[in-house]
Amino acid sequence: DSGVTQTPKHLITATGQRVTLRCSPRSGDLSVYWYQQSLDQGLQFLIQYYNGEERAKGNILERFSAQQFPDLHSELNLSSLELGDSALYFCASSVALKQPGTDTQYFGPGTRLTVL
Amino acid sequence: AQKVTQAQTEISVVEKEDVTLDCVYETRDTTYYLFWYKQPPSGELVFLIRRNSFDEQNEISGRYSWNFQKSTSSFNFTITASQVVDSAVYFCALSEMRNTGNQFYFGTGTSLTVIP
Repeated sequence: DSGVTQTPKHLITATGQRVTLRCSPRSGDLSVYWYQQSLDQGLQFLIQYYNGEERAKGNILERFSAQQFPDLHSELNLSSLELGDSALYFCASSVALKQPGTDTQYFGPGTRLTVL
Repeated sequence: AQKVTQAQTEISVVEKEDVTLDCVYETRDTTYYLFWYKQPPSGELVFLIRRNSFDEQNEISGRYSWNFQKSTSSFNFTITASQVVDSAVYFCALSEMRNTGNQFYFGTGTSLTVIP
């Protein structure tokens, strides 16, 4: 158990809908990362937050957005969902005391999103 | 072009055999970080190792060892005396530092099956 929690574990929705995925980092970790894992694209880095602020952006679509709250939990919002958005979405956290993004990331169990 | 290449898609070995998973990366940076992650059939991502570009010492952790060679841009992973529990998909990843935040690139993974 990495200490990172993600809810829900599974999510089934229809095209065009909007969903929110939630992540709670390990106690003491300031940085949260979101990744998408799909059969087509493999593992892709989406976005990173550090202590409430956006720190780095990867291959995140404009239909997707994220935020990190004062209690350091994070939410990933996916809107106007398409079939191709079906994937496993991982959240990871790290302490990130020095250079955020260079330290060890601990991954949550993931949220499996199915868009029908 | 792929930033991280794991040319071996699938590998099967018999239990107790040694196996090496290859990882070749591409970067123009002098400072970067390399990672290996394990994804067992249960789906979670497990951190195995992190190396920075200035530390070329090989590392051994139990049955696991890593060979980092900047001259060939490779960061290979060897499992000695493989066990069935080693069956998983293994990902190599590269982190590059940017003013706008770190970027993370994953290889496509190598699926390792250890046959009892």
